[in-house]
Amino acid sequence: AQSVTQPDIHITVSEGASLELRCNYSYGATPYLFWYVQSPGQGLQLLLKYFSGDTLVQGIKGFEAEFKRSQSSFNLRKPSVHWSDAAEYFCAVSGSARQLTFGSGTQLTVLP
Amino acid sequence: GAVVSQHPSRVICKSGTSVKIECRSLDFQATTMFWYRQFPKKSLMLMATSNEGSKATYEQGVEKDKFLINHASLTLSTLTVTSAHPEDSSFYICSASPRDPQEDEQFFGPGTRLTVL
Repeated sequence: AQSVTQPDIHITVSEGASLELRCNYSYGATPYLFWYVQSPGQGLQLLLKYFSGDTLVQGIKGFEAEFKRSQSSFNLRKPSVHWSDAAEYFCAVSGSARQLTFGSGTQLTVLP
Repeated sequence: GAVVSQHPSRVICKSGTSVKIECRSLDFQATTMFWYRQFPKKSLMLMATSNEGSKATYEQGVEKDKFLINHASLTLSTLTVTSAHPEDSSFYICSASPRDPQEDEQFFGPGTRLTVL
């Protein structure tokens, strides 16, 4: 069975600082991996996805993620965080039938 | 981008009543729609997968007689919480996948906050 672990429940960074959110997955085959962001009152928005090819994936809002098969990781990064990035971030893996399995989420707080 | 709407965004009901939540794909046809439940400070839990014109497939532990799902068209799926109880209070989120079977992306609705008194 597929699973996703986001070890950090809550992360606080200062505006302008760099950010890395961790994600580890468990899946038997080559996974499809996703990062979503959820802001209060809004639906989940896709930041980026990895299906195949280049292991460094660029997404929207200046985010990127790197797929590392040897570490079963798909960490999300941003070089300089903005106050508007404060939200809940979910990593997800997709298996057959396009079913997504989500991690437990990481709440990001951005200090002014 | 593809837009998915949910209605209502919030609903409060009395225990024992039924509540229907609609999920619509506004600018694409969705062969598959998914229903998730999200508890406070928790991840999204997949409840069921529905394909247009066929019965929904429920995840283990989800009562299909309590959470009725209908996917009557390529743009509409409904979730009916029957005989709702306070423990059914939660945030319900739907997502939709486009017709193209190669497209694995799901597009999410904004969610519906259900409160059962």
